[in-house]
Amino acid sequence: QLQLQESGPGLVKPSGTLSLTCTVSGGSISSRNYYWAWIRQPPGKGLEWIGNFFYSGRTNYNSSLKSRVTISVDTSKNQFSLKLDSLTAADTAVYYCATIIRIASRPYWFDPWGQGTLVTVSS
Amino acid sequence: SYVLTQPPSVSVAPGQTARITCGGNSIGRKAVHWYQQRPGQAPKLVLYDDNDRPSGIPERFSGSNSGNTATLTISRVEGGDEADYYCQVWDGITDHVIFGGGTKLSVL
Repeated sequence: QLQLQESGPGLVKPSGTLSLTCTVSGGSISSRNYYWAWIRQPPGKGLEWIGNFFYSGRTNYNSSLKSRVTISVDTSKNQFSLKLDSLTAADTAVYYCATIIRIASRPYWFDPWGQGTLVTVSS
Repeated sequence: SYVLTQPPSVSVAPGQTARITCGGNSIGRKAVHWYQQRPGQAPKLVLYDDNDRPSGIPERFSGSNSGNTATLTISRVEGGDEADYYCQVWDGITDHVIFGGGTKLSVL
């Protein structure tokens, strides 16, 4: 059974870079059956898809964040990571990693999710 | 870009039926997935592919999808169902994952 766990700093400075890692257990990050995704949720607001990664190296990013986002994978550690540059207070959110079920080369539903980690952008 | 529209809130008495809608252009042509998010918790999948339930989700949760509206129906609502609910699709044109704005279900 897949389990995901986010890790990284909880406080980052404006104009800085957010770096988070998601550790996957119970399955291989090299599986053809999944995409690996990041989603965020500002306090009191809804969910926003950030982007996802396929083990082959293909990435797909939300166009609203594309210029600032990088998702990468470390297959040796069964981890994938998120970097978000040029931070502002608007990037303050709970950041989730999740698995997307992949069917016929398309993303379908998210399951499971990590527990989430709050990242606050503040000086 | 593709937009999913949900009512901000729905209220229902215990034991009654709650219906949460998710509107989108020709959403009936897409696979819709639903998530439950209780306060302080991560979202949890409650329905996938319009009307399929993951293991452990009660039969009280069901869904439909046709035309421009998908609906999550919760029968015999219980206090534990009080949560935010989000619909989600994949937009093949933009290759983006889209979430609805979320609906807060209150059990009176």
